[in-house]
Amino acid sequence: KQEVTQIPAALSVPEGENLVLNCSFTDSAIYNLQWFRQDPGKGLTSLLLIQSSQREQTSGRLNASLDKSSGRSTLYIAASQPGDSATYLCAVFSGNTGKLIFGQGTTLQVKP
Amino acid sequence: EAQVTQNPRYLITVTGKKLTVTCSQNMNHEYMSWYRQDPGLGLRQIYYSMNVEVTDKGDVPEGYKVSRKEKRNFPLILESPSPNQTSLYFCASSFDPGTNEQFFGPGTRLTVL
Repeated sequence: KQEVTQIPAALSVPEGENLVLNCSFTDSAIYNLQWFRQDPGKGLTSLLLIQSSQREQTSGRLNASLDKSSGRSTLYIAASQPGDSATYLCAVFSGNTGKLIFGQGTTLQVKP
Repeated sequence: EAQVTQNPRYLITVTGKKLTVTCSQNMNHEYMSWYRQDPGLGLRQIYYSMNVEVTDKGDVPEGYKVSRKEKRNFPLILESPSPNQTSLYFCASSFDPGTNEQFFGPGTRLTVL
């Protein structure tokens, strides 16, 4: 059974720092991995989607990497801003099951 | 505007009173899915549908029903709600989840007394 783990559960950094969020999964038979952002009481906003054949994807200050064989992904946020404060979720999609499995999330606080 | 909509956004009901949460998307997506989010348990998939008339169970389907009679709509039905179904519910859709991102609705906060 696929399990997705995110470390750390919470992170507090000063504004301007570069930071890395981690995501690991137990079954490497995935089609893709998606990173989301969730603000308190809000829905999920898709940030980046990495296909299983890709190594990384970039969008603005965000860079996500995928090492499928080791079951790991990282989300790199450059020059963090207070507006980046939110919960970040990773999720893996298994085409064999049609299911999207989420990690518990990392709650990020960026202090001015 | 491309979006996934859910109604109602907030609902307080009593045990045993049947309810339906609607989900609609305007992106002509084939795939739709329902999730629930609970503190400490995260997001868990309830049901999904790869296309019209095809639905499958997710990880927590007990107590829920779905139907997919047309591409744009995927309602979630609670025939006899119980307090353990109090949760935040999200609907999502994708053209092809194997290659495309999933888009999420704004969420429905359900309280069952």
